[in-house]
Amino acid sequence: ELKVEQNPLFLSMQEGKNYTIYCNYSTTSDRLYWYRQDPGKSLESLFVLLSNGAVKQEGRLMASLDTKARLSTLHITAAVHDLSATYFCAVEPNRDDKIIFGKGTRLHILP
Amino acid sequence: NAGVTQTPKFQVLKTGQSMTLQCAQDMNHNSMYWYRQDPGMGLRLIYYSASEGTTDKGEVPNGYNVSRLNKREFSLRLESAAPSQTSVYFCASRPLPYNEQFFGPGTRLTVL
Repeated sequence: ELKVEQNPLFLSMQEGKNYTIYCNYSTTSDRLYWYRQDPGKSLESLFVLLSNGAVKQEGRLMASLDTKARLSTLHITAAVHDLSATYFCAVEPNRDDKIIFGKGTRLHILP
Repeated sequence: NAGVTQTPKFQVLKTGQSMTLQCAQDMNHNSMYWYRQDPGMGLRLIYYSASEGTTDKGEVPNGYNVSRLNKREFSLRLESAAPSQTSVYFCASRPLPYNEQFFGPGTRLTVL
């Protein structure tokens, strides 16, 4: 059974700092997704990573995928308050459309 | 395009009552999903449908049934609601494999 683990689950950081969120998963997969959720809202897609070594960047966020290590990272550069949200990774282990989410990382950026 | 819509937005049930959560998408997507979100648990997959006419169990299917009525609609039924089913329910869809999911606004369900 696929397990998706995110670390840390909660992160409080100051504006201007860099940090990384980790997403580990337990079975082979080359499809990984990152989502953002603001409090009381729905989820919106950030990145789609579909191969080993894939790297995607959008503004201050950069996501990467290492399928051999079964690890994805979401790196935040020079954090700003607007990035405060909960970030989820999701893994698609097989070819049957099943997608499993991690527990999420709640990011709080202090002004 | 309305995207993914869910009804109702809020619902309060008594233990043992039944209800159906409705989800529809107007993007001609093939795959549809139902998740529940509880504090500290992330999103857990209840059921999913890879295409019209097919449904499969996810991580937490017990106590739920689903119907993929047509390509647009995917409903979730609670036959006999229990307090443990108090949660926020999200429906999602996506066009094909290798694509991200698009989420509805959610239904907040309380079972007393």
